[in-house]
Amino acid sequence: ELKVEQNPLFLSMQEGKNYTIYCNYSTTSDRLYWYRQDPGKSLESLFVLLSNGAVKQEGRLMASLDTKARLSTLHITAAVHDLSATYFCAVVDDKIIFGKGTRLHILP
Amino acid sequence: DGGITQSPKYLFRKEGQNVTLSCEQNLNHDAMYWYRQDPGQGLRLIYYSQIVNDFQKGDIAEGYSVSREKKESFPLTVTSAQKNPTAFYLCASSIALGERGYTFGSGTRLTVV
Repeated sequence: ELKVEQNPLFLSMQEGKNYTIYCNYSTTSDRLYWYRQDPGKSLESLFVLLSNGAVKQEGRLMASLDTKARLSTLHITAAVHDLSATYFCAVVDDKIIFGKGTRLHILP
Repeated sequence: DGGITQSPKYLFRKEGQNVTLSCEQNLNHDAMYWYRQDPGQGLRLIYYSQIVNDFQKGDIAEGYSVSREKKESFPLTVTSAQKNPTAFYLCASSIALGERGYTFGSGTRLTVV
């Protein structure tokens, strides 16, 4: 059974700091997605990572995928309050399985 | 603009009632999915469909039913057999099963009263 584990599950950080969210998974999948969810809202696609070594960047967020280590990271650079949200990784097996999410709270 | 429309946004159900949540997409996607999200939790897969007139159970299908009579539509019925239906329900679609990530609808918040 495919397992997707995110850590930390909750992160409170100061504006201007850097931090990384980790997503470990148990299958040999080479496709992984990152989503953002604001409170009470739906999920918004952030990154689609389709191969080993893939790196995507958008603004202060950068995602990478290491399929050999079965690990993806979402790195936040110089955090700002607007990035406060819950971030989910999702891995493709025969269907897409989501991690439990990382609730990110950025203090002004 | 293409997208996924879920309705209603809020839904209240009395004990013992069946209710149906609507999900329509105009993205020409083959695959559609229903997920349940409980407060502070991740998403759990209820049902998914790869093609018209075919669907598969996800991890928590008990107490739910679906149909896929048209490519554009994938309604979810929450039956009275679902003992704890209060949750946020999200519908999603993709070009094919697991391809290129999902496009999500805006969600339906179901509350049992």
